[in-house]
Amino acid sequence: IAGITQAPTSQILAAGRRMTLRCTQDMRHNAMYWYRQDLGLGLRLIHYSNTAGTTGKGEVPDGYSVSRANTDDFPLTLASAVPSQTSVYFCASSVGGLDTDTQYFGPGTRLTVL
Amino acid sequence: GQNIDQPTEMTATEGAIVQINCTYQTSGFNGLFWYQQHAGEAPTFLSYNVLDGLEEKGRFSSFLSRSKGYSYLLLKELQMKDSASYLCAAVDSNYQLIWGAGTKLIIKP
Repeated sequence: IAGITQAPTSQILAAGRRMTLRCTQDMRHNAMYWYRQDLGLGLRLIHYSNTAGTTGKGEVPDGYSVSRANTDDFPLTLASAVPSQTSVYFCASSVGGLDTDTQYFGPGTRLTVL
Repeated sequence: GQNIDQPTEMTATEGAIVQINCTYQTSGFNGLFWYQQHAGEAPTFLSYNVLDGLEEKGRFSSFLSRSKGYSYLLLKELQMKDSASYLCAAVDSNYQLIWGAGTKLIIKP
């Protein structure tokens, strides 16, 4: 692994189903983030974690949950998917928890909820 | 509210120079990022400005005026591979990133 990876690359999901998007980084970064990117809108922060064991809510957290059991992994779970959660999801990491640190992004997961 | 404004789309010619503007309104300010995002790919870091002035990095330069709430990204000697979206993001007083919607730059031969 080099950098930050996400899985799956893309997914089509029926509404009401549970889904976990995976994110792993091998850079030993303390902070990790989940964003969604929709056409015509900027990246919107869903949840973040400044260090292993802690998480925080971003701008659009409703319908999503995260956990940070260790430094490397930061999964995002949709408990019961809805069509408005159709989006491209990016995971990112940075050395520290301050947003003046450069963020490194994973390749993204394209999720379609029908 | 907090807001980032940048043009939706710009077109330029290969070999030319283009300036992409970004204006921001945030509660406090702790710097401004520019990221490049090719279609279907992840954003990648280009620059970070926290002090007024111009910072040059090869063909790309970034300018900041804190008093005007304004930044621009200057791309020189445009190449076809520069066709991408350019994202502006400001850091507010809570150290949260406020992202613009991005400017899609189209390069024509």
